[in-house]
Amino acid sequence: AQTVTQSQPEMSVQEAETVTLSCTYDTSESDYYLFWYKQPPSRQMILVIRQEAYKQQNATENRFSVNFQKAAKSFSLKISDSQLGDAAMYFCATAGGTSYGKLTFGQGTILTVHP
Amino acid sequence: KAGVTQTPRYLIKTRGQQVTLSCSPISGHRSVSWYQQTPGQGLQFLFEYFSETQRNKGNFPGRFSGRQFSNSRSEMNVSTLELGDSALYLCASSFTARLAADTQYFGPGTRLTVL
Repeated sequence: AQTVTQSQPEMSVQEAETVTLSCTYDTSESDYYLFWYKQPPSRQMILVIRQEAYKQQNATENRFSVNFQKAAKSFSLKISDSQLGDAAMYFCATAGGTSYGKLTFGQGTILTVHP
Repeated sequence: KAGVTQTPRYLIKTRGQQVTLSCSPISGHRSVSWYQQTPGQGLQFLFEYFSETQRNKGNFPGRFSGRQFSNSRSEMNVSTLELGDSALYLCASSFTARLAADTQYFGPGTRLTVL
């Protein structure tokens, strides 16, 4: 079984500043993967970044990076140089290595970006 | 390449009716997953299909069913609708559904309202 917890229902950031979204998870699988998805007001869910749990190196995609602490089961997302287009609901998710097509999502964090 | 498409985008039904939602995956993708998104329960996995076979199923009652056709298009059906079935239903496609190495691409969703 897998659970994902996002403890921040809402966050806000000034344009060009940095913000960190928190996520903790629990899983019984030894092989698993972690994801951050973004859902803008238009509702189309988009993958932001992914992390293989067996990799120690934190994933980075342009302005987006993660801080993966495996022992603490923590997977936070850092957004640098925030832009107005980053405003969205952000979901942390996990998938087991043997589970077909199933993402387990957290409750989401609404990110507001102020100009 | 066209993205995941879902039809209809909006639907209003009354309690007791049944409904069928459709999803066309990205060309070449053979896996289709369905999710239910509600404010209270968040995003929950319904089921996953690959090559016309259901390989994974979430914890939903038997009123929720699905199928996949030979061209990978998928439909989900909800019978005997209840007020609590009001939700955004998201479809996601991927090449293999092994999320270890694959990415799920989401459609815009079908907003179902049950009166």
